[in-house]
This record gives sequence, C-alpha cells and structure tokens, in this order.
Amino acid sequence: QVQLVQSGAEVKKPGASVRVSCKPSGYNFIGFYLHWVRQAPGQGLEWMSWINPHSGVTNFARKFQGRVTMTTDTSISTAYMELTSLRSDDTAVYFCARGVCSTSCYVDYWGQGTLVTVSS
Amino acid sequence: QSVLTQPPSASGTPGQRVTTSCSGSSSNIGSNTVNWYQHLPGTAPTLLIYDNNQRPSGVPDRFSGSKSGTSASLAISGLQSEDEADYYCAAWDDTLNGYVFGTGTKVTVL
Repeated sequence: QVQLVQSGAEVKKPGASVRVSCKPSGYNFIGFYLHWVRQAPGQGLEWMSWINPHSGVTNFARKFQGRVTMTTDTSISTAYMELTSLRSDDTAVYFCARGVCSTSCYVDYWGQGTLVTVSS
Repeated sequence: QSVLTQPPSASGTPGQRVTTSCSGSSSNIGSNTVNWYQHLPGTAPTLLIYDNNQRPSGVPDRFSGSKSGTSASLAISGLQSEDEADYYCAAWDDTLNGYVFGTGTKVTVL
C-alpha cells in the first residue's frame, strides 16, 4: 500500500535551516509529483510547493520563494524539503503528500508529518 | 493565507445531516475539480472526496460532495461521533500553478 514516511521532529534556532525528508513506498516514485504542505499551530493547511521527481521541476507558493528548496534522490526514492532563514512563525507540522492528476490535479496520500519548532 | 473560504464551524447531533461550503474563484474551483480532506488533530489529513463527488475506497457513502460554479459543498449525513474533525476543501489553482486549501471547517457532534 502507499505510504509516505517522514523524518523526525526538529528544533531549530531562528536564522537556521531545516531539512525534512519524505520516503514514499508502494508506488513508482518518479511517476507522481510530491507536494509539501504545512500547518502552523491553530492554523489551517497551507500549500508550500511541489516537485516533479522525474524532471526535478519545482514550483512554490510566492511566500516561500527564495527560502524553500526541494530535491529528490531517485536512487533511494526520497524527497527533501529545506527551509532556510527560519523564523518563529515557521513553527509548524510539515507534511509531504503525493500528487495525482485525473480530471484535475490533487493530493491523495500524506506523510505522517514532521514537527519543526523554531525557538531561541 | 488560504485562497478558498469556508465557514469556521458547523455542528449537529448524531444522525443529523451537516453541510459545509467552500468558495473560490475562476482560477481554482471555477476551472478545476474540488477535493475534501478530513483532518483529526495529530494525524495526517485523509482524502475524503476527490473530483467534486468521488469517494476513495473505504470512505463511507455518508460523505458526499458537489460543486457549482466557483463554490462547492460537503455533506455528512447520518452524523456520527467519529466525524468530529476539521474538514478542508482544496483545488488546483491555474494562476498559482499550485494547490490551494480552504480555511477549514470544524465539525462538532453535539
């Protein structure tokens, strides 16, 4: 069955960077886009970015451009999201999710989430 | 910053029918299909409805979705205690070339 397993919780200081990994299984890794979504405490879901693991093409929500880098290592079927210049309002649970397209594109399966805490 | 607007809360007693709405624009709901997610605290969201009204396998037929123009709605019939959760609509946005979520509706079972 499809699963996405993410790396563990992180605690970072303001100004630092964090890298979260996502390892899907149960499907062809390069055949589906991967999205990153976050949820800050008490807030809703916020879409951040997507990557095409086959081509490496990416797209980001405007507020994250310049601070987010997404990469994949197809040899180990793993995706990474790096967020730099961390601020306290980057404290959130970060999810990776598989993207599919039928009539339109959407995300279906989600990782378990990675809590990133930014605190001095 | 959510692009799609949902009412913050909805409630009902067990067995009742509860609905929630989702309002967007021509670049998202107006051009693409709508999807709905159920989110319980501390867990990953789960896909409830895709392509406006399709249920993934395993989702009870108590959940149904519809879309008209730039708005959509989710209905839960025969409300059960385990349905108490946050519900988010989402759609692809052609202008952003990305995925946008609603503000979320907290459904409470009284």
